[in-house]
Amino acid sequence: AQSVTQLGSHVSVSEGALVLLRCNYSSSVPPYLFWYVQYPNQGLQLLLKYTTGATLVKGINGFEAEFKKSETSFHLTKPSAHMSDAAEYFCAVSLPSGVYNKLIFGAGTRLAVHP
Amino acid sequence: DSGVTQTPKHLITATGQRVTLRCSPRSGDLSVYWYQQSLDQGLQFLIHYYNGEERAKGNILERFSAQQFPDLHSELNLSSLELGDSALYFCASSPPYDSGNTIYFGEGSWLTVV
Repeated sequence: AQSVTQLGSHVSVSEGALVLLRCNYSSSVPPYLFWYVQYPNQGLQLLLKYTTGATLVKGINGFEAEFKKSETSFHLTKPSAHMSDAAEYFCAVSLPSGVYNKLIFGAGTRLAVHP
Repeated sequence: DSGVTQTPKHLITATGQRVTLRCSPRSGDLSVYWYQQSLDQGLQFLIHYYNGEERAKGNILERFSAQQFPDLHSELNLSSLELGDSALYFCASSPPYDSGNTIYFGEGSWLTVV
């Protein structure tokens, strides 16, 4: 069975500081990994995803994540936080294409950005 | 805008009642997923339909049911509602041949049971 653990339900950073949101996964086969963002009163928007190939994945809004198989991690980073980054971020895992590709989500990390 | 349309956006109903949530997937997408988001349970996968057929079930209660119609829209039926069913219900869709498994979410239907 697959699972996702997001370390830290709340993260607070200063504007301009590094953003680091942690995600560890468990999967019996090499998974596909995703980060979604949810702004207040909105749906989930895909930030980035890892399927195969290059382990450093770049997404929208300056975010990137690195797949580290040895650490079973897929941490999300952004070099410089902006006020507009304040939102809830969800890491998710799915089985590779060819099987039923439902997403299993972590509990989410709420990012606060202060001036 | 993801292209996934959900109605209604907000719904308030009483315990014991029944409601239907509707979802139109993105044009061309054959898969529809339903998720429930609540404060205590987080984002929970409920059910997946592909081209009208149920493909996977998650943590969906027996009081809940879903279907996907020939025009590919989907409905989630929630009956004998309880206070604990209050949540944000998301519909999502994905294209049939996307090797990256990308799933696109609607903006959700807020259900409040009073």
